[in-house]
Amino acid sequence: GENVEQHPSTLSVQEGDSAVIKCTYSDSASNYFPWYKQELGKRPQLIIDIRSNVGEKKDQRIAVTLNKTAKHFSLHITETQPEDSAVYFCAARGLTGANNLFFGTGTRLTVIP
Amino acid sequence: GAVVSQHPSRVICKSGTSVKIECRSLDFQATTMFWYRQFPKQSLMLMATSNEGSKATYEQGVEKDKFLINHASLTLSTLTVTSAHPEDSSFYICSARDLSGTLSYNEQFFGPGTRLTVL
Repeated sequence: GENVEQHPSTLSVQEGDSAVIKCTYSDSASNYFPWYKQELGKRPQLIIDIRSNVGEKKDQRIAVTLNKTAKHFSLHITETQPEDSAVYFCAARGLTGANNLFFGTGTRLTVIP
Repeated sequence: GAVVSQHPSRVICKSGTSVKIECRSLDFQATTMFWYRQFPKQSLMLMATSNEGSKATYEQGVEKDKFLINHASLTLSTLTVTSAHPEDSSFYICSARDLSGTLSYNEQFFGPGTRLTVL
């Protein structure tokens, strides 16, 4: 099955700086890569996603890049704010089975005011 | 956007009892629902996938007789933790997808989660 690795596990940045979180996946047939933000005790919230036919996608301060050849994708948050502090999960969806999402191990982002 | 609800949000039970968790899609038909469990400071681990009207598909290592899943309608899936033990204490989250085409084919919508504590 799919194996998703995520780095770093924790990340601290100063307010206003950029944050980058990286993920790799194993199944070359995966074609959908969402990123979720989860605050303590709450549900994961989709913040951005990218499909395998696109190399980059941007939504205001958030961007995701995808390198299909290398099988890695990254989340970029610019001009970070304290409310960006949360745990971020990447995920990949393969084409086998029931098309379920496989999640990375998560990155705890702390934005220091 | 699509809304998925879960009930209850929190449950505390004694060891040996069974607990049922409901997952509902409120404004769309969820042809497929997924059940995850999440331990503190860890990622979401898929437990099983349920399709309406058919048996659930369980991930390796998940006991189907212990975690009973029923997806009887296009808007409701239930997870029953049978004979719960303290090690079953966790955050259980469901998610749903609409494969009929009315919503984004790709997106999964998550419920708010159920925190189970087994004493």
